[in-house]
Amino acid sequence: QSALTQPASVSGSPGQSITISCTGTSSDVGSYSLVSWYQQHPGKAPKVMIYEGSKRPSGVSDRFSGSKSGNTASLTISGLQAEDEADYYCCSYAGTSTNWLFGGGTKLTVL
Amino acid sequence: EVQLVESGGGLAQAGGSLRLSCAASGFTFSSYSMNWVRQAPGKGLEWVSYISSSSSTIYYADSVKGRFTISRDNAKNLLYLQVSSLRADDTAVYYCAREPRLGLFDCWGQGTLVTVSS
Repeated sequence: QSALTQPASVSGSPGQSITISCTGTSSDVGSYSLVSWYQQHPGKAPKVMIYEGSKRPSGVSDRFSGSKSGNTASLTISGLQAEDEADYYCCSYAGTSTNWLFGGGTKLTVL
Repeated sequence: EVQLVESGGGLAQAGGSLRLSCAASGFTFSSYSMNWVRQAPGKGLEWVSYISSSSSTIYYADSVKGRFTISRDNAKNLLYLQVSSLRADDTAVYYCAREPRLGLFDCWGQGTLVTVSS
């Protein structure tokens, strides 16, 4: 199966909101409420920001939120801050034969 | 403090093998499913393999099936990935990640770099 589709880059100014989309198919994003989002700063390990589509792990700012419509999941970051500048990856369950699919990643630039 | 530390990466010839390790500390390792995820230089994340807490269930990505073997030693708090028949496109940083519930990779190691030379 192919990777999930994300925009290569998005940008926003401090204080603004941005949304990153993650498009899959009816075999992955559309079939399961198991989309997660990971933030990765350069040279660092990924950090989970959203799991099960819209749940935030403890310690993650409520400026991060997740949603899903059909085969597309979305990550919204409100009140952009400089430290939000990073790469973001979506991940979806795709059944027992494929298991986990990641998106290609989106580079967020805070202007 | 929950911690995962990978080791065992390095330079290998195409067709060669390495054994990657992930040392867990700060939590009850035997209670958690674990995964390996890799990232080629400048590229995105790719899920590689999964092992349940008791090793009863194991999965692999199609790209590594038949060449990589995941295992764990709960007595030693260690996760392993035996990587064999290496190819140039296996060059990547390999991360281990804890999975406390389906779809939540909540703790990651710092990664170990595998470089395959042809």
